[in-house]
Amino acid sequence: GAVVSQHPSWVICKSGTSVKIECRSLDFQATTMFWYRQFPKQSLMLMATSNEGSKATYEQGVEKDKFLINHASLTLSTLTVTSAHPEDSSFYICSASGARDTQYFGPGTRLTVL
Amino acid sequence: RKEVEQDPGPFNVPEGATVAFNCTYSNSASQSFFWYRQDCRKEPKLLMSVYSSGNEDGRFTAQLNRASQYISLLIRDSKLSDSATYLCVVNTLSGTYKYIFGTGTRLKVLA
Repeated sequence: GAVVSQHPSWVICKSGTSVKIECRSLDFQATTMFWYRQFPKQSLMLMATSNEGSKATYEQGVEKDKFLINHASLTLSTLTVTSAHPEDSSFYICSASGARDTQYFGPGTRLTVL
Repeated sequence: RKEVEQDPGPFNVPEGATVAFNCTYSNSASQSFFWYRQDCRKEPKLLMSVYSSGNEDGRFTAQLNRASQYISLLIRDSKLSDSATYLCVVNTLSGTYKYIFGTGTRLKVLA
């Protein structure tokens, strides 16, 4: 299957700082990338969908000014959590989709905000 | 009502047992269906796609009933390594294609 990487795999930061997470499709061009968040013992919740070169579409209840998404190329999307707070601590997972609708998931980024 | 519903479990079964998971979805316009497996603190990994005709991959069999909006996964001869959370995923066109995840069913295979 296709390979998707995420960086960093984990991050600990102080409240109020911003954190950037990168998602890369390594062996295919991803027309669409998705960002999910997963809290403990809960399922993945879609935060936003991004297409290369256009603005991301955010799900209801997700603040677009807090979670900035940039999809500058067909292989890279970034999620920036601005002014992070402890309640933003979560497992953030990206996925990438090529010509077909199957999504390939990155290994996730575990964010802890102190 | 949730868009994709699963029994959260946990299902505790002995090695060698057969176990079945069920999933229902609410959007009749859903296009494609999958079972993913997620291990603790890891990302979901695709287990298998689900087709109307039913499909089998080794010890795993998936079925889809579009009329009842119901998906199932059967695992035969359970192994200890099958212990994980199994996620039912429905791909629905809502502006763009989106995966909707069930809450997952936890399976623990006991020695």
